[in-house]
Amino acid sequence: EIVLTQSPGTLSLSPGERATLSCRASQSVSSSYLAWYQQKPGQAPRLLIYGASSRATGIPDRFSGSGSGTDFTLTISRLEPEDFAVYYCQQYGRSPPWTFGQGTKVEIK
Amino acid sequence: QLQLQESGPGLVKPSETLSLTCTVSGGSISSSSYYWGWIRQPPGKGLEWIGTIYYSGSTYYNPSLKSRVTISVDTSKNQFSLKLSSVTAADTAVYYCARPTTVTGVDYWGQGTLVTVSS
Repeated sequence: EIVLTQSPGTLSLSPGERATLSCRASQSVSSSYLAWYQQKPGQAPRLLIYGASSRATGIPDRFSGSGSGTDFTLTISRLEPEDFAVYYCQQYGRSPPWTFGQGTKVEIK
Repeated sequence: QLQLQESGPGLVKPSETLSLTCTVSGGSISSSSYYWGWIRQPPGKGLEWIGTIYYSGSTYYNPSLKSRVTISVDTSKNQFSLKLSSVTAADTAVYYCARPTTVTGVDYWGQGTLVTVSS
């Protein structure tokens, strides 16, 4: 089973700043089957990025994903007030089991 | 637009079996190449993959839960279900049904349902 470790646990930033979130895998994630989700309180997670770098439908271009192998990054170029939330990475190789990271909370500084 | 909706008891007694159903609308659950799955989130904690069923009926379970989990599909009702046996307080969580894919990750989620294990 692939273990995903996200860092930092909490990121304190101001609106307009750039956010950089990291997700490290315990072994290589095949073909960049790495997704990022945003979750706000009381809501289900929302798919942001799949295939490590492809934005899901309707996701603003201030969200971008990069990386391959074992190291992946989610970047929010300029934080908007609605971007303060918890972010999870997930690996979803060709077949289960699929796993999530423990999450990074982006909070208002 | 595909929609998923969880249903089932919000309170389950310790040692009993948790049973949830996910009703899929706006699409057929027997469409080829799709998985259907369950994910849970204990209060204040992260997401945990419970298990997945392929449209053909093949199942995959989280090894840590495998001995207690059963996921099944009822194509006639366009539903899939979760059963988790011998529950304890540690199984208290919001349970999400979802459609995971091998291309885009989990692209559709239910709204989630809170299940509390308590006597």
